[in-house]
Amino acid sequence: QQQVKQSPQSLIVQKGGISIINCAYENTAFDYFPWYQQFPGKGPALLIAIRPDVSEKKEGRFTISFNKSAKQFSLHIMDSQPGDSATYFCAASHSGEAGGTSYGKLTFGQGTILTVHP
Amino acid sequence: EAQVTQNPRYLITVTGKKLTVTCSQNMNHEYMSWYRQDPGLGLRQIYYSMNVEVTDKGDVPEGYKVSRKEKRNFPLILESPSPNQTSLYFCASSPKGGRTKIGLFFGSGTQLSVL
Repeated sequence: QQQVKQSPQSLIVQKGGISIINCAYENTAFDYFPWYQQFPGKGPALLIAIRPDVSEKKEGRFTISFNKSAKQFSLHIMDSQPGDSATYFCAASHSGEAGGTSYGKLTFGQGTILTVHP
Repeated sequence: EAQVTQNPRYLITVTGKKLTVTCSQNMNHEYMSWYRQDPGLGLRQIYYSMNVEVTDKGDVPEGYKVSRKEKRNFPLILESPSPNQTSLYFCASSPKGGRTKIGLFFGSGTQLSVL
């Protein structure tokens, strides 16, 4: 079963617009929620991450919003640029699982292909 | 340069012919893992290793084997590949305590086609 569900599968945004990608999770034991960015021909790379004790984290143009009661979190990309065009994955992990958060075991969402038109 | 190196980048093989995809990291990371990436399914974990000689199944381990005899290497073995194992494979590593800003370091991927 897919423990982390991501939407939309693809997203097209105009340059300067806001890109929003949503994720929902089922396991309430999850305690770490990162987002990964993947460019064509490359492996994913950590973009930004949040813990459930805060509702929002911002790094530059990238913001994670977290809603613990709804078991949802989202990535907002402000002032989207063509260089942001990539595949984005949300993920989750928890400390109590073998090889869990302390080591980096992650459950990933399905991915969102973002295209930013100039 | 800190990196995770996978080889080969591309591989075409036939059903039943054993193959190995190598993975090596030069960051002295304790944790290593294999994922497969398929459209619409995201990244799914195959196997992981928390340290030398310690390996465990991920979410989709059927048809795969791994070994961790040295800290830096974590090869993925397909003893009898089948067409449903056609996929893009990624090796990743992280240090203990990698939940913080470090995250997982991924290789560049191996595109496998099983005919």
